[in-house]
Amino acid sequence: EAQVTQNPRYLITVTGKKLTVTCSQNMNHEYMSWYRQDPGLGLRQIYYSMNVEVTDKGDVPEGYKVSRKEKRNFPLILESPSPNQTSLYFCASSFRSPDIPTGGGGMYEQYFGPGTRLTVT
Amino acid sequence: TQLLEQSPQFLSIQEGENLTVYCNSSSVFSSLQWYRQEPGEGPVLLVTVVTGGEVKKLKRLTFQFGDARKDSSLHITAAQPGDTGLYLCAGLSGSARQLTFGSGTQLTVLP
Repeated sequence: EAQVTQNPRYLITVTGKKLTVTCSQNMNHEYMSWYRQDPGLGLRQIYYSMNVEVTDKGDVPEGYKVSRKEKRNFPLILESPSPNQTSLYFCASSFRSPDIPTGGGGMYEQYFGPGTRLTVT
Repeated sequence: TQLLEQSPQFLSIQEGENLTVYCNSSSVFSSLQWYRQEPGEGPVLLVTVVTGGEVKKLKRLTFQFGDARKDSSLHITAAQPGDTGLYLCAGLSGSARQLTFGSGTQLTVLP
């Protein structure tokens, strides 16, 4: 079954204790991304990766790190979590639709994981 | 940073009614996507619109992309309780590197 998996699904931790949220996809997608979702703010992109060893900051990268050593995995690292990082996190992977012309910039239809609810006390 | 505003933020209607959700921006997007999210799950893609003025239908859902590619709407005909969920619009940047999401419309359809 084609899917994006995240672990753990729920995590409660304390301020300053390093943690990693794993993300894996089995669809051979080149593009992967991390989002956080907060009430009233929608989904905001943290980091994205266009391919192996290529990562770029999204809209809210402060306090987060990522790595893309393999195509299928894209872990999110919080070196020193703080309470303002309490949120619902989603990993997503995507491909370029072959039906969409690239003149307009291409297309990425995203497949999301089930989410990780993180609480930092 | 490109912004997308969705309205209304909350919508509660009776089964059988029609509704429209709006997604507006001052920025031009190369394409726009609509997702639906249920509690405890990640968003699921419903449709992608690419061409200005494009209209796509998915059963009782009709999606339209504005002529100038700055706005979009989602119209649901004869809503059913199974339509309940959070509807998110997302605009793809011209570089095709980032999606900008709206804040979402929480739809509740009462039986």
